Amino acid sequence: EPEVTQTPSHQVTQMGQEVILRCVPISNHLYFYWYRQILGQKVEFLVSFYNNEISEKSEIFDDQFSVERPDGSNFTLKIRSTKLEDSAMYFCASTRGQGAANYGYTFGSGTRLTVV
Amino acid sequence: QKEVEQDPGPLSVPEGAIVSLNCTYSNSAFQYFMWYRQYSRKGPELLMYTYSSGNKEDGRFTAQVDKSSKYISLFIRDSQPSDSATYLCAMRDDKIIFGKGTRLHILP
Repeated sequence: EPEVTQTPSHQVTQMGQEVILRCVPISNHLYFYWYRQILGQKVEFLVSFYNNEISEKSEIFDDQFSVERPDGSNFTLKIRSTKLEDSAMYFCASTRGQGAANYGYTFGSGTRLTVV
Repeated sequence: QKEVEQDPGPLSVPEGAIVSLNCTYSNSAFQYFMWYRQYSRKGPELLMYTYSSGNKEDGRFTAQVDKSSKYISLFIRDSQPSDSATYLCAMRDDKIIFGKGTRLHILP
């Protein structure tokens, strides 16, 4: 079964450093998402991406965050200057379309980001 | 009022019991309703979906949506220890919004 692949599985970084989280969505999917889950809290929407541009972003997704699809397969989330409160699991997700037949997203296994 | 409310549990039931999980929501624009299962340190995995009000059954799992009450449920029959996980309700308008998740333990 096709999978969404995320790397690395765990990243430790110092406060103020830049990090790039990488995702390879399912190959025929067109809509891409980043979510995050702070330990013990709910899975929260960060950003959606379609046709090489951001479709929607949450209040969490401020100027420190950016997304990019640099080639036909990768989808990245960059945090420019990490803060302690950015420590969380970051999940990438993708779906083929937005209609009723494409209601659910396929999620990756996540990258655990620890900011120290 | 939070958009999606879900009791975080934990909920412990003996093996073989029927499990009932539920969520309430406030946004009447939601049309698509889902249940995801999440194992520790893994991504959410889609279990069930329904469109608008009604029931849907898939093996031991039944999902119900009551849009008039803004209430959705997931029932698990003949629960197994392997069903132990966190169950997330989710709803979609133009993006998926999750509940906080209910931690379920099935006791052998």
